[in-house]
Amino acid sequence: NAGVMQNPRHLVRRRGQEARLRCSPMKGHSHVYWYRQLPEEGLKFMVYLQKENIIDESGMPKERFSAEFPKEGPSILRIQQVVRGDSAAYFCATKEGQVGANVLTFGAGSRLTVL
Amino acid sequence: GEDVEQSLFLSVREGDSSVINCTYTDSSSTYLYWYKQEPGAGLQLLTYIFSNMDMKQDQRLTVLLNKKDKHLSLRIADTQTGDSAIYFCAESINNAGNMLTFGGGTRLMVKP
Repeated sequence: NAGVMQNPRHLVRRRGQEARLRCSPMKGHSHVYWYRQLPEEGLKFMVYLQKENIIDESGMPKERFSAEFPKEGPSILRIQQVVRGDSAAYFCATKEGQVGANVLTFGAGSRLTVL
Repeated sequence: GEDVEQSLFLSVREGDSSVINCTYTDSSSTYLYWYKQEPGAGLQLLTYIFSNMDMKQDQRLTVLLNKKDKHLSLRIADTQTGDSAIYFCAESINNAGNMLTFGGGTRLMVKP
């Protein structure tokens, strides 16, 4: 079991470009959460998805950000027209189901730098 | 509303005990967690406690929960240099998404 895989680990973009971050859940995990960590800060919830459905996107900025978790393939967090303030570490966390303790397994993160 | 607060920094000597504190505001929290983050890495779950418990011990780790004061602590016995990291507390509320709300993290520095 390879754990939660995120790629790329590091991404550099110029202002106005697009960033795509990918998350492959642990085997058997069908719930995906995306969190953002700004430098020297804690993690802030962005979006919660299950296969083909967005369950809660209350933490997503209203513009430029979108997320999906298709039936096949990884979950993708997409940031259009990036700005310097988007520079952060983006973490994906997954879990198997809704029962019991909400134990999330985190990926190693994707660090986005916007020049 | 949800708000989780932690002190920013803690420095201890190797072999001493470390106590990292956390306060939260939402009384409907169901589970509370401690995560560890090493430089450049993701978050590793250390332990968690259900809100109807007041203590949980796991090897060198002891979690204390004071639900009345909404205060959570993590004690690390015999702290080692490998324990140097950022420690995050988080709460989970029994809503539809069960997403975690994190504190800002406490940076633990262990001096030899």
